[in-house]
Amino acid sequence: AQSVTQLGSHVSVSEGALVLLRCNYSSSVPPYLFWYVQYPNQGLQLLLKYTSAATLVKGINGFEAEFKKSETSFHLTKPSAHMSDAAEYFCAVTDYGGSQGNLIFGKGTKLSVKP
Amino acid sequence: DVKVTQSSRYLVKRTGEKVFLECVQDMDHENMFWYRQDPGLGLRLIYFSYDVKMKEKGDIPEGYSVSREKKERFSLILESASTNQTSMYLCASSLSFSRGYTFGSGTRLTVV
Repeated sequence: AQSVTQLGSHVSVSEGALVLLRCNYSSSVPPYLFWYVQYPNQGLQLLLKYTSAATLVKGINGFEAEFKKSETSFHLTKPSAHMSDAAEYFCAVTDYGGSQGNLIFGKGTKLSVKP
Repeated sequence: DVKVTQSSRYLVKRTGEKVFLECVQDMDHENMFWYRQDPGLGLRLIYFSYDVKMKEKGDIPEGYSVSREKKERFSLILESASTNQTSMYLCASSLSFSRGYTFGSGTRLTVV
């Protein structure tokens, strides 16, 4: 079964700085990959997804992620952080071997943005 | 816009009560899921369903059951609520795993 590792449970950046949230997955089989965002006391909202087309995927709110098969990574970036980006971010990957294609989620990274 | 609706945003129940959490989707999705979310543990899958009247155990089904009598509705049941079931519960649905999931807003359950 797949596993997902998000490096860093908390990341803090200054407003206007680069945002980099890291995600690594375990399988050598090219998966489908997703990033979700969760604002306080809300459900998860899809930011972007990789489904084996372009390796650089653009999402909502200026975020993008690059699929790197050799590194089994799918890191999320944004060139310039905004205060409204403060939220928790979850990386997810399809689990072919385990639960019939269900998504496996990382433990999340909480992003703080300092003024 | 597609929607997944969870009936309650906040719920307080007493230990030993039978608790029903309701989830309804309007997208004609086959697949529906229940997760619980706890700080530091991320999302953990409780139960899922690929079709009406079908259910599959997830990673942490103990103490829970589910019901799916209609395609659009997936209910999570806590047979006898306990304090360690205090958590945020998230419902999701999907058409296929390649499209990702659509989540509801969550129900924050407190068991006292």
